Amino acid sequence: SQTIHQWPATLVQPVGSPLSLECTVEGTSNPNLYWYRQAAGRGLQLLFYSVGIGQISSEVPQNLSASRPQDRQFILSSKKLLLSDSGFYLCAWSVQSGAQYFGPGTRLTVT
Amino acid sequence: QKEVEQNSGPLSVPEGAIASLNCTYSDRGSQSFFWYRQYSGKSPELIMFIYSNGDKEDGRFTAQLNKASQYVSLLIRDSQPSDSATYLCALHDTGRRALTFGSGTRLQVQP
Repeated sequence: SQTIHQWPATLVQPVGSPLSLECTVEGTSNPNLYWYRQAAGRGLQLLFYSVGIGQISSEVPQNLSASRPQDRQFILSSKKLLLSDSGFYLCAWSVQSGAQYFGPGTRLTVT
Repeated sequence: QKEVEQNSGPLSVPEGAIASLNCTYSDRGSQSFFWYRQYSGKSPELIMFIYSNGDKEDGRFTAQLNKASQYVSLLIRDSQPSDSATYLCALHDTGRRALTFGSGTRLQVQP
């Protein structure tokens, strides 16, 4: 069966500090991978998605970037965090059916 | 971008009643529709998906799709307090190979 991992689970970072969030998927090959952000009490905002190694599509211009160095690894990064980057970051995977399956998420607080 | 509209709620129903959650969408070309449940502080989990007009039942859950009227609904029979959560409607945007999510409806089941 497929499993998706995210770490860390929670993170408190000062403004201007760098960020690296990691997501890995087990039990499937060549998945589509996604990064979402959910602000408190808000809906899901798609940030990036990837259909293969090195292939990244950006949905919203901002100070975040994503990389996919391996088939089942997806990384979200920032060089300098803003207060507005606080939120619940969710990684998800899918195959051809379209249904997406979410990881447990990382709760980021920028102070 | 495709739009998905949901009433934010909260929708309050007594225990044992039927909860009806509705979702409308703007793109007539959308083919795949999904319902997710999200407990407070947790990541969304897939409940059901539906591709064809009509009803699809899975246990206490029934998804209904009407492509002509561009709405999809989720019925929860014999609602339980454990069903209290936010329910997210999503559709598959084939152009982006991603899902577009509504902002969710918060359901409260009163014991």
